[in-house]
Amino acid sequence: EAQVTQNPRYLITVTGKKLTVTCSQNMNHEYMSWYRQDPGLGLRQIYYSMNVEVTDKGDVPEGYKVSRKEKRNFPLILESPSPNQTSLYFCASSLNTVTEAFFGQGTRLTVV
Amino acid sequence: AQTVTQSQPEMSVQEAETVTLSCTYDTSESNYYLFWYKQPPSRQMILVIRQEAYKQQNATENRFSVNFQKAAKSFSLKISDSQLGDTAMYFCAFIPNNAGNMLTFGGGTRLMVKP
Repeated sequence: EAQVTQNPRYLITVTGKKLTVTCSQNMNHEYMSWYRQDPGLGLRQIYYSMNVEVTDKGDVPEGYKVSRKEKRNFPLILESPSPNQTSLYFCASSLNTVTEAFFGQGTRLTVV
Repeated sequence: AQTVTQSQPEMSVQEAETVTLSCTYDTSESNYYLFWYKQPPSRQMILVIRQEAYKQQNATENRFSVNFQKAAKSFSLKISDSQLGDTAMYFCAFIPNNAGNMLTFGGGTRLMVKP
């Protein structure tokens, strides 16, 4: 089954404790991206990747890191999480920029 | 930079009736794509419909259709014969037809279908 898998689905952590949210896709897609969803703001892009070792900042990259060492994986790293990073996070992948984006099931992150 | 605006934070409709969700966008691009995504309570993002800007014909997918007005930069979604399962957040999204960037989303419209 074609899918994008994110883990974990729920995470509560404390300020400053490094965390990683994993994302994996099995569709051999070139493009992968991370978004955060906040009420009234829709989804905002954090980082995107066009291929292995190629990443670029989206609209809200501050406080986040990503890496793309393999085509299928695109982890999101929060080196020192802060309460303003409490949000719902989505990973997405697509064959190219204009085809359908497939989304993971989301990660609800709470930073206390 | 592109912006997408959904002016209706919440809407409701009676089952079996028709509802239209509004979306406007701002861009200097001439070639681009527009999407409507549905997010039910399960949080899953589901593509509802896709429109290519160079196509004048409005896209249709079963009960879902769009009214695409390129000059007005408007892209509304019409849901006919509304069903309880249509209750969800709906997001309008835009992407230019060039390499690199990905989707810009509107703030969303929460639709409630009432029995």
